[in-house]
Amino acid sequence: NAGVTQTPKFQVLKTGQSMTLQCAQDMNHEYMSWYRQDPGMGLRLIHYSVGAGITDQGEVPNGYNVSRSTTEDFPLRLLSAAPSQTSVYFCASSYSIMYSRKGYTFGSGTRLTVV
Amino acid sequence: KQEVTQIPAALSVPEGENLVLNCSFTDSAIYNLQWFRQDPGKGLTSLLLIQSSQREQTSGRLNASLDKSSGRSTLYIAASQPGDSATYLCAGSYTGNQFYFGTGTSLTVIP
Repeated sequence: NAGVTQTPKFQVLKTGQSMTLQCAQDMNHEYMSWYRQDPGMGLRLIHYSVGAGITDQGEVPNGYNVSRSTTEDFPLRLLSAAPSQTSVYFCASSYSIMYSRKGYTFGSGTRLTVV
Repeated sequence: KQEVTQIPAALSVPEGENLVLNCSFTDSAIYNLQWFRQDPGKGLTSLLLIQSSQREQTSGRLNASLDKSSGRSTLYIAASQPGDSATYLCAGSYTGNQFYFGTGTSLTVIP
């Protein structure tokens, strides 16, 4: 199994541009989430989904949109990129946030730079 | 907001030493506690998951414990090796749909 696949691995955007970070998992996980990781601040939750058609905001949702049309895919959209969104973005999935015996599985990350 | 704290932020030990990494959390109603390893420029690799009904989990040279009453989890690494050098993160989940992460302990094992 591929696990959690994120694309692209690296991206440079100009301020004001929009883009979509892709995340796909092949483990039939119901729960998917997006985190950003910044130096000294740990991982912070942006958005999450508990199943197809259901999404909710995390700790730092401003400037990002998500949708979940299938169980497998959970794309993250940056509407108008800002330098403050320069970060490493991780997608993670789990069978269930509370009942999984295996916990979270993470993708390898997308390193985004906004200039 | 739930707080997860990891102290120290950095740790250097000679090869072969046994070591303990600490993780503390503010709310004892934690459901799952998961330990991860992160190598520079890489994603997070799950090491051990402790569910609320468990007190510890073991995998090879790693042993993680969970004490909900004191708000602490520890990751014990036996006979450390240079390949263990990485950042170790702990994360706790509660009744909501979120894991709360600590900022990690950067471990260097000196040959």
